[in-house]
Amino acid sequence: AQSVTQLGSHVSVSEGALVLLRCNYSSSVPPYLFWYVQYPNQGLQLLLKYTSAATLVKGINGFEAEFKKSETSFHLTKPSAHMSDAAEYFCAVKGNAGNMLTFGGGTRLMVKP
Amino acid sequence: ETGVTQSPTHLIKTRGQQVTLRCSSQSGHNTVSWYQQALGQGPQFIFQYYREEENGRGNFPPRFSGLQFPNYSSELNVNALELDDSALYLCASKRDRREDTQYFGPGTRLTVL
Repeated sequence: AQSVTQLGSHVSVSEGALVLLRCNYSSSVPPYLFWYVQYPNQGLQLLLKYTSAATLVKGINGFEAEFKKSETSFHLTKPSAHMSDAAEYFCAVKGNAGNMLTFGGGTRLMVKP
Repeated sequence: ETGVTQSPTHLIKTRGQQVTLRCSSQSGHNTVSWYQQALGQGPQFIFQYYREEENGRGNFPPRFSGLQFPNYSSELNVNALELDDSALYLCASKRDRREDTQYFGPGTRLTVL
């Protein structure tokens, strides 16, 4: 069975500061990992995904994430926050044998001017 | 290319009633999944349909049922509504059941009174 834990339900950063959103996973099979963003009153948009290729994955809007097997982590980062980054971010894991995505509880990112 | 669309946008029902939510998959996609997102939580997988057949199910009771039509659009039906069924219901489609990337619709907000 797969599970995802996102540390910090709320993260606040200043505009221009580093964004770091944490995700740890548990998986009995080599995981496929995803980060999605959800803006208010909208569905989920894929930011990036890890599917066992390069461990550093670059996504849209300047985000990237690094897969660290030894730490079972897949943290999301962005060097410089923009006001438009304020949203809810979800980490998700998919096992090779399953169809479903298992999501974490989400982290709400707030960006202060 | 039209994205995933869902209807209605919002819905209010009372306990014990039945509801049908609709989803049109993205053009060229034959696989549709449904997720329930309770307020302040991550989405939870309900089930997936591939070529009109259920192809995976999460931990939801049988009163949650679905259909997929020959044009790959889908319905989610919920019988005997309970207060805890109040949530955002998300539909996601992908090109094929083996694909990793799902594309989400904006969701239907269901309120059960």
